[in-house]
Amino acid sequence: EAAVTQSPRNKVTVTGGNVTLSCRQTNSHNYMYWYRQDTGHGLRLIHYSYGAGNLQIGDVPDGYKATRTTQEDFFLLLELASPSQTSLYFCASSVRGKTNERLFFGHGTKLSVL
Amino acid sequence: GEQVEQRPPHLSVREGDSAFITCTYTDPNSYYFFWYKQEPGASLQLLMKVFSSTEINEGQGFTVLLNKKDKRLSLNLTAAHPGDSAAYFCAVSAGNNNRIFFGDGTQLVVKP
Repeated sequence: EAAVTQSPRNKVTVTGGNVTLSCRQTNSHNYMYWYRQDTGHGLRLIHYSYGAGNLQIGDVPDGYKATRTTQEDFFLLLELASPSQTSLYFCASSVRGKTNERLFFGHGTKLSVL
Repeated sequence: GEQVEQRPPHLSVREGDSAFITCTYTDPNSYYFFWYKQEPGASLQLLMKVFSSTEINEGQGFTVLLNKKDKRLSLNLTAAHPGDSAAYFCAVSAGNNNRIFFGDGTQLVVKP
């Protein structure tokens, strides 16, 4: 079973704060994704990447940056956090990024912006 | 773009009863369909992947129905037990843009 590890599991910050969420997968998957999960909205794609140094914009990218430093590591950056970014964030990976592939999810990071 | 509507958002059933969750989608070109299960405090795990060519798919303790004419995907948990208590998400994909669209989720509670 593919392993996707997120850190931290919980994070509290204040409005205007700087937050970095980390994700690591050790299964040599090419594609990695960041989603946010909000009540009433399901999972929405923020950013994704198909390899080290690559970044693709998702469906709700405003206020977020991301960086894929290695095949394994994908980071989500909130440089000026706002209360609207309070959410549950999931990282996921897939082998080739094809739409018929399953996604492997991390356990999630609960972020609260006060 | 694709829109996926999932109903109901919350569902409570007694142990042994059936639990029925439905998703409707808008893109007639949708071809791949997924159900994910998220247990409390855990990540989403794939329950089943369905191709558009198969209307009825049976898993262990559940059935997935696909009605392409009505653009409806359903999950039926037969004889639910407390271990089925979780959030369930449908996901739909179409085309080659690497997009998978999720429903809003259904929080299922199975009471003993």
